[in-house]
Amino acid sequence: QKEVEQDPGPLSVPEGAIVSLNCTYSNSAFQYFMWYRQYSRKGPELLMYTYSSGNKEDGRFTAQVDKSSKYISLFIRDSQPSDSATYLCAPVRGNNRLAFGKGNQVVVIP
Amino acid sequence: KAGVTQTPRYLIKTRGQQVTLSCSPISGHRSVSWYQQTPGQGLQFLFEYFSETQRNKGNFPGRFSGRQFSNSRSEMNVSTLELGDSALYLCASSHGTGVSEAFFGQGTRLTVV
Repeated sequence: QKEVEQDPGPLSVPEGAIVSLNCTYSNSAFQYFMWYRQYSRKGPELLMYTYSSGNKEDGRFTAQVDKSSKYISLFIRDSQPSDSATYLCAPVRGNNRLAFGKGNQVVVIP
Repeated sequence: KAGVTQTPRYLIKTRGQQVTLSCSPISGHRSVSWYQQTPGQGLQFLFEYFSETQRNKGNFPGRFSGRQFSNSRSEMNVSTLELGDSALYLCASSHGTGVSEAFFGQGTRLTVV
């Protein structure tokens, strides 16, 4: 079983829709949870991260963690064509090592 | 502030050859991590160097090695290249202590023919 499972999609949505992305993980040792965005031919860039179970908002983005079920979500409100990218969840152990999911490819259609 | 710089951006090598990739982290960052990204496996952790010492290692064969210099710049070496080593190799730099945001470079696209 992989440490992090993420359905690669692709996921196509119309502009303005809410995008919902999910990951599951297997290792209880993960301490914090990051979401990265990767545009084509670029390196990943950090969107946001959270420590604890619950929600964290940053503008149009909300990260949600449920440690009891080992489930991570990212929601994008009022999606824009510029949000078209691959989104990677990355739980982190205390040793600074990120474990990436395969990534969700999102396409926002104008 | 300059970002993470990886060189070269693109590389074509023949099976059996060896290759060295370079990563210059953000000034002040002491941790450099290397990842391999392929369509089939996604991003996989290779190893992390912190203050010139390998601190973490992923599940890759010994053909993959690295080092870090006193200025925090890091190199990754792959010997006896195989076709399956074709991938995007990404380097990430961070402070390396506490909750430490990792900043990625643009990557080196390695093609083995």
